[in-house]
Amino acid sequence: EAGVTQFPSHSVIEKGQTVTLRCDPISGHDNLYWYRRVMGKEIKFLLHFVKESKQDESGMPNNRFLAERTGGTYSTLKVQPAELEDSGVYFCASSPRDDFVRQREQYFGPGTRLTVT
Amino acid sequence: AQKITQTQPGMFVQEKEAVTLDCTYDTSDQSYGLFWYKQPSSGEMIFLIYQGSYDEQNATEGRYSLNFQKARKSANLVISASQLGDSAMYFCAMREGTSGTYKYIFGTGTRLKVLA
Repeated sequence: EAGVTQFPSHSVIEKGQTVTLRCDPISGHDNLYWYRRVMGKEIKFLLHFVKESKQDESGMPNNRFLAERTGGTYSTLKVQPAELEDSGVYFCASSPRDDFVRQREQYFGPGTRLTVT
Repeated sequence: AQKITQTQPGMFVQEKEAVTLDCTYDTSDQSYGLFWYKQPSSGEMIFLIYQGSYDEQNATEGRYSLNFQKARKSANLVISASQLGDSAMYFCAMREGTSGTYKYIFGTGTRLKVLA
């Protein structure tokens, strides 16, 4: 079974440019999460999809960030326009449909390291 | 406010010895889950162990065990017989909410270095 994949692994862009990160969750996983870790700080929740619906987007920093999950499969996270403080590692995670037995862990992707210069 | 605190930014341990990584949490929920993840230098996040708030026994997974003290709101990770491959960043996390509305909160992490 393929794990969570993210693309690209690393992106370097200039302030003001646009970047789109992609996450492919494990096939069949309804839940998809985006997180961000800024250097030296905690991993922060950004948002949560259940299938194609945004269940919780309370962690999105501002309206420069737009996440989509069309068709309930892969998800994209677009940053437009990027600012210096957006630099960090963006993680995607997925988990199966919530049920008592399988609600335990999330499966993380390797992350996308975004550097805004 | 819900929060995870990891007070040890870095730890050293001698190979084959045991090490405890500290984690305290704060939540007003009665139902929650606690997780530990390992992040090696390659960057991926690897799930290690899970403890539910209603679990009476401390969770164990091979060399990993979770010292869960609910009254103290602590969920320390114990790694026994440390190996060089255990050198990594370790994150404590808490899941709270109800089914369909889960939210995960992470600590700042502890970098563990195993010495030969």
